[in-house]
Amino acid sequence: DQQVKQNSPSLSVQEGRISILNCDYTNSMFDYFLWYKKYPAEGPTFLISISSIKDKNEDGRFTVFLNKSAKHLSLHIVPSQPGDSAVYFCAASAGGLRGNTPLVFGKGTRLSVIA
Amino acid sequence: DARVTQTPRHKVTEMGQEVTMRCQPILGHNTVFWYRQTMMQGLELLAYFRNRAPLDDSGMPKDRFSAEMPDATLATLKIQPSEPRDSAVYFCASGRVGRPGLPNTGELFFGEGSRLTVL
Repeated sequence: DQQVKQNSPSLSVQEGRISILNCDYTNSMFDYFLWYKKYPAEGPTFLISISSIKDKNEDGRFTVFLNKSAKHLSLHIVPSQPGDSAVYFCAASAGGLRGNTPLVFGKGTRLSVIA
Repeated sequence: DARVTQTPRHKVTEMGQEVTMRCQPILGHNTVFWYRQTMMQGLELLAYFRNRAPLDDSGMPKDRFSAEMPDATLATLKIQPSEPRDSAVYFCASGRVGRPGLPNTGELFFGEGSRLTVL
């Protein structure tokens, strides 16, 4: 059973608009969450993370929101750019910042930003 | 520019053949992971090592897969015999985690992957 779920396999957004990617998790022991971005023929690269002690973390155009009670997190990209077109993976771990357990990944959401 | 290096980038082989994939983690990283990406399962964990010791390989089919870390600069994933259902992209990732007193960004750094096709 998938512990980290990304229910939208794909998303299309117009350039300049907001992209919202969603992720749900089932394991209440998860306390650290990350988003990775993956271009074709490349490995995933780290984008942004959030600890369970926070509900928001912002880095430039990227903001991650965490709703612990709903076991839900989302990644907002504002404004969206064509170069943001990639597959985005949500990941979670139960080891906090010390990373004592491996990351559990969702299946990914393919974002297409249309110029 | 430190990066995780994986070889081969592409491998096409026939069913029953042995396949070995290699990974050089980033110098100074003490944890190495093997993940497999498929359309159906996304990124699934196969095995991981900390300070070269295997911590978990429950994600691997034990009868045909084996993972080792003969030294701090090399991790290997071997499939023998390979089957068509093993066709996937295999990623190695490394991180600096779980070490008291050291800064820890928490994220993993991935290689570019080894695309395996078993005919």
